[in-house]
Amino acid sequence: DADVTQTPRNRITKTGKRIMLECSQTKGHDRMYWYRQDPGLGLRLIYYSFDVKDINKGEISDGYSVSRQAQAKFSLSLESAIPNQTALYFCATSDLVGQGWHTEAFFGQGTRLTVV
Amino acid sequence: DQQVKQNSPSLSVQEGRISILNCDYTNSMFDYFLWYKKYPAEGPTFLISISSIKDKNEDGRFTVFLNKSAKHLSLHIVPSQPGDSAVYFCAARISNFGNEKLTFGTGTRLTIIP
Repeated sequence: DADVTQTPRNRITKTGKRIMLECSQTKGHDRMYWYRQDPGLGLRLIYYSFDVKDINKGEISDGYSVSRQAQAKFSLSLESAIPNQTALYFCATSDLVGQGWHTEAFFGQGTRLTVV
Repeated sequence: DQQVKQNSPSLSVQEGRISILNCDYTNSMFDYFLWYKKYPAEGPTFLISISSIKDKNEDGRFTVFLNKSAKHLSLHIVPSQPGDSAVYFCAARISNFGNEKLTFGTGTRLTIIP
């Protein structure tokens, strides 16, 4: 089983619909992230959470919300989906390693979301 | 404002030759850099990293070079193999007493020609 699991893997939804993307992890990491990937724009951070009580906006949080239900679960919601939210979405986790504050992030397999 | 840039969207290299992927950054506060590799239908996977106190880090066929004065890093793959065909992202981080997060570049699609 994957360490970071995203559901669904693919989703087509209509404009204006609410949709939730879910992420669960078995790595025991405190830190979780949501990114979106768009052609030519790379990976951009939407929201991140350093523990269950901590939620932070990333560089492109408008139109999105998140919920950290437990250490292992971090959900991303689109309250009213619009076509320019069509993208590949990735959940990631990380933890501090040693004194170097290494933050190697581990990614899920992605959710391809299409808003029509 | 793209703080981490990969100016080559794609690169093709003959099998067995050296692949060089480049990354430029603008924020001098970045102190840790990573390269990720991504295959289609999969999430990015960590490849190699380098701290700003070093100028080179090597792991098997992969070497990352950092030139702080030029704000430039590069990933060398030698020899290149067909399985190296993927999209490569560079990423950078600012140490901030636990408040770190990664800023990614736009990616370079590497194709290894058999």
